[in-house]
Amino acid sequence: EVQLVESGGGLVQPGRSLKLSCAASGFTFSDYYMAWVRQAPTKGLEWVASISYDGGSTYYRDSVKGRFTISRDNAKSSLYLQMDSLRSEDTATYYCTTGSFDYWGQGVMVTVSS
Amino acid sequence: DVVLTQTPPTLSATIGQSVSISCRSSQSLLDSDGDTYLNWLLQRPGQSPQLLIYSVSNLESGVPNRFSGSGSETDFTLKISGVEAEDLGVYYCMQATHAPLTFGSGTKLEIK
Repeated sequence: EVQLVESGGGLVQPGRSLKLSCAASGFTFSDYYMAWVRQAPTKGLEWVASISYDGGSTYYRDSVKGRFTISRDNAKSSLYLQMDSLRSEDTATYYCTTGSFDYWGQGVMVTVSS
Repeated sequence: DVVLTQTPPTLSATIGQSVSISCRSSQSLLDSDGDTYLNWLLQRPGQSPQLLIYSVSNLESGVPNRFSGSGSETDFTLKISGVEAEDLGVYYCMQATHAPLTFGSGTKLEIK
């Protein structure tokens, strides 16, 4: 059974950092591009970042470029999102998903507030 | 960025009724490789999104065949042939042809 389990969310002050993790199982992790998608409270879906099979290529939406870093560890079947200089507008549920969007995690909430 | 406009924003249907959702793109989604990367997802209340249709008309494994997708270039449609109670939720189209990936604003399906 495919599973994507996110962790690392929580309440953080503006300007601080947080690192999200996503543990994958049930499929060959290194065969998939991976991505993070977020959803602000009561809002729609928004792509955040993607990473290639070996981590050699990364892609970001403009609003997080230079503040967020997506990475992966294929040996641990894990995906990460390092979020620095957080802003209130980053408040959202963050989903880990395969690059083909066929598998999704349950999501982890990130709240940026003083 | 590519803007995906979904209509209607809200849809109310009875069990067994057939419904359609439109997704119009601000640019052609036909990629240079010949594929069109337009997907449909469903987010049921309190759940994560679920892929229903990929590349316009391909049914994702395990998805009931009452769901179908059609369209080309800039105009796309998701059809549900015989709505069931479990189909309630918000439907999103999304495109992966142009960077950045973008999603439509969603269509909420309610069951009468």
